[in-house]
Amino acid sequence: SSELTQDPAVSVALGQTVRITCQGDSLRSYWGSWIQQKPGQAPILVIYGRNNRPSGIPDRFSGSTSGNTASLTITGAQAEDEADYYCNSRDSSTNHVIFGGGTKLTVL
Amino acid sequence: QVQLQESGPGLVKPSGTLSLTCAVSGDSISNNYWWTWVRQPPGKGLEWIGEIFHSGNTNYNSSLKSRVTISLDKSNNQFSLKVSSVTAADTAVYYCARCHIAVASYLCEYWGQGTLVTVSS
Repeated sequence: SSELTQDPAVSVALGQTVRITCQGDSLRSYWGSWIQQKPGQAPILVIYGRNNRPSGIPDRFSGSTSGNTASLTITGAQAEDEADYYCNSRDSSTNHVIFGGGTKLTVL
Repeated sequence: QVQLQESGPGLVKPSGTLSLTCAVSGDSISNNYWWTWVRQPPGKGLEWIGEIFHSGNTNYNSSLKSRVTISLDKSNNQFSLKVSSVTAADTAVYYCARCHIAVASYLCEYWGQGTLVTVSS
């Protein structure tokens, strides 16, 4: 089945580095993208492709993919990075879009 | 700057039809993108509902396909979502988004602010 699996929750100390991962077979067809969502706000795209950031996204956000696993790394996490992070991809065989279950990031 | 704005009733009765519209500004829905609907039940994650291409081709989430219709309104530069036979499980914040494939990646770069739809009598 087409699924993207994420850890439900991750924490990081302020200023430290954290990696959030996403695993799924659809990541072998398309690079995953990463979406940030803060409480009560709309989702925001933070990383797509091999390691591309939309305009306005700080360079402490980076991405990578190896096989069927995509990773989002925040280097020097800030308090404002506390949010839910979702990975997102497309299944090339079904043309269906998939979201991971989301990872709640807590900055301590 | 591309902007998307959802609109529609915030309350729908059980067994009724949920109808939402997404108005697009700063871009044309005739351009080469997937115009997409995503929802988020209270306290839960994002769920893809479906999409429509500028040509009118559609793809729907298999779990919702029998109840969902997405259509384009090119004259008003907007697209719409209808979900029939709604139940309380359809209560969610509904988002519209502009999505496409670039640099071998699927991405949704622009999102509306979302609109809460509650199914209740």
